[in-house]
Amino acid sequence: GNSVTQMEGPVTLSEEAFLTINCTYTATGYPSLFWYVQYPGEGLQLLLKATKADDKGSNKGFEATYRKETTSFHLEKGSVQVSDSAVYFCALSKGSSNTGKLIFGQGTTLQVKP
Amino acid sequence: DVKVTQSSRYLVKRTGEKVFLECVQDMDHENMFWYRQDPGLGLRLIYFSYDVKMKEKGDIPEGYSVSREKKERFSLILESASTNQTSMYLCASWGEGASYNSPLHFGNGTRLTVT
Repeated sequence: GNSVTQMEGPVTLSEEAFLTINCTYTATGYPSLFWYVQYPGEGLQLLLKATKADDKGSNKGFEATYRKETTSFHLEKGSVQVSDSAVYFCALSKGSSNTGKLIFGQGTTLQVKP
Repeated sequence: DVKVTQSSRYLVKRTGEKVFLECVQDMDHENMFWYRQDPGLGLRLIYFSYDVKMKEKGDIPEGYSVSREKKERFSLILESASTNQTSMYLCASWGEGASYNSPLHFGNGTRLTVT
């Protein structure tokens, strides 16, 4: 079946460090891929997405490239800020299914220290 | 702006109680979802509804039921709460007409503790 695997957290970085959060997936067909972010005390919100192979999603300085050959969608940011401290979820949807149902990874907690 | 409202941020209930978690969306969305969020497990789908009075089981429906009497409201019901249902519960909605890669819109969550 479809699944998403994220790197274990928590990830602790100093401000302005480079961030990578790994995400790999297993899916049949051609899923769309998403990164959602959950700030403390809030629900999830969409950070970025990619709908086909080699697409790059980007938002707020974060980027992720849909790599079909490695079934990966790693999240990167060149210089993190304290305000980026949050839980990050990788997710996929089945492109052929028009329901909004997503499969989420386990989440990775990022803590950025000043 | 899109808004999904969950009626309670925190709930404490006793084992065996019947518990109602309420969710309201103001976007006229057809599809609504209930997830539970647990550390190390991410989000797992409990139930979803694609229309009024319509529902489908998700991945972990045991011990839960749902109600969708009006389009804007989707309720999660714990018939007899147990301690293993202590968790964060997240409601989400998604609209018809949106493409398959449109985002889910989430509420802020209800943290339920069953003692």
